[in-house]
Amino acid sequence: EIVLTQSPGTLSLSPGERATLSCRASQSVTSSYLAWYQQKPGQAPRLLIYGASSRATGIPDRFSGSGSGTDFTLTISRLEPEDFAVYYCQQYGSSSWTFGQGTKVEIK
Amino acid sequence: QVQLVQSGAEVKKPGASVKVSCKASASTFTGYYMHWVRQAPGEGLEWMGRINPNSGGTNYAQKFQGRVTMTRDTSMSTVYMELSRLISDDTAVYYCATQPYSGSYYEYWGQGTLVTVSS
Repeated sequence: EIVLTQSPGTLSLSPGERATLSCRASQSVTSSYLAWYQQKPGQAPRLLIYGASSRATGIPDRFSGSGSGTDFTLTISRLEPEDFAVYYCQQYGSSSWTFGQGTKVEIK
Repeated sequence: QVQLVQSGAEVKKPGASVKVSCKASASTFTGYYMHWVRQAPGEGLEWMGRINPNSGGTNYAQKFQGRVTMTRDTSMSTVYMELSRLISDDTAVYYCATQPYSGSYYEYWGQGTLVTVSS
């Protein structure tokens, strides 16, 4: 099973700042099988990015994904108040789906 | 747009079983794989398994093999997840989520069902 490790655990930033979230895999992940989600308290996760870099329908262009192999990044170019949440990366491989443990983006 | 509506919260005793349902928009029911993902209080997301609503074929996470059963009722556009031999660590919100046949991501999610296991 591929293990995804996200860093940092918590990111304290102010609105308008840039957020860079990392997701590292224990072995190489096919880029088309890497996704990112946003989750707010009491809500289901929401798909942001799939295929490592494709934005899901309705996702603002301040969200972008990049990376390949074992290192992937989610970037939020300018944080809006509604972007403070927990973010998860997710991968598929060897008939198994796994998630990272999450990065919390909080208001500084 | 796919709408997924899950059944309500459950309270179960240790050793019991729970069955959670997820009803999809009829027109899209067979257009996606359906997965189950759970989230313990204050914790991250954990994949449990998936079902192909067309064939009924399933794949389960190794951790839940022998304890989870996923089924579907095509006439009701509904999938079910039954978890047996419950323990307190099974207390969690259980989500259904769709995976398109052409992708490996979760596009639409149900609202979640809280299952509490307590004596």
